[in-house]
Amino acid sequence: DGGITQSPKYLFRKEGQNVTLSCEQNLNHDAMYWYRQDPGQGLRLIYYSQIVNDFQKGDIAEGYSVSREKKESFPLTVTSAQKNPTAFYLCASSPAGVYHEQYFGPGTRLTVT
Amino acid sequence: EDQVTQSPEALRLQEGESSSLNCSYTVSGLRGLFWYRQDPGKGPEFLFTLYSAGEEKEKERLKATLTKKESFLHITAPKPEDSATYLCAVQARAGGYNKLIFGAGTRLAVHP
Repeated sequence: DGGITQSPKYLFRKEGQNVTLSCEQNLNHDAMYWYRQDPGQGLRLIYYSQIVNDFQKGDIAEGYSVSREKKESFPLTVTSAQKNPTAFYLCASSPAGVYHEQYFGPGTRLTVT
Repeated sequence: EDQVTQSPEALRLQEGESSSLNCSYTVSGLRGLFWYRQDPGKGPEFLFTLYSAGEEKEKERLKATLTKKESFLHITAPKPEDSATYLCAVQARAGGYNKLIFGAGTRLAVHP
């Protein structure tokens, strides 16, 4: 079955620690995205990548970093510089080009205390 | 500024009571409008894409329509399993990449 997997489903960290969220897709999509979802707000774009070894900042990239070494994988690191890291994080992918819907993974809920 | 507003924020229906959700948008150069369904604690599930005013798409009890300034998601004779948050997103012209701008969603609760 083709799809997007995110792990873990729940993640707990202490303040000041970096944490990496995993995202893998087997849809053969070129483009991948990371979003953050907070209650009462729309999804906000953190980073996106249109091709391997290339990625761009989205609207709220401060305190986050990504890599895209393989087409299938787009991990997100939440660094200690992110002031409000507790949120629901969603990874998505789409075919290349600008007229395609994005498909989402199941999400990772990160809680930092 | 590109913006998407969904209304109402929350909607409670009785089973079988049809209604509509609204998504109004202001965006320069609309490339597409997307509807997603999101269940609690899960990722959004793609429902429809609409590209031009006048276009309609249907799936089971759901029908999405598009005008130049808004989209409606019509739910006919809803069932409790239709309870979810419905997200609207517009695809904007932004440096050649597939940028989606999301609304905050409408939480739908359908009661038996």
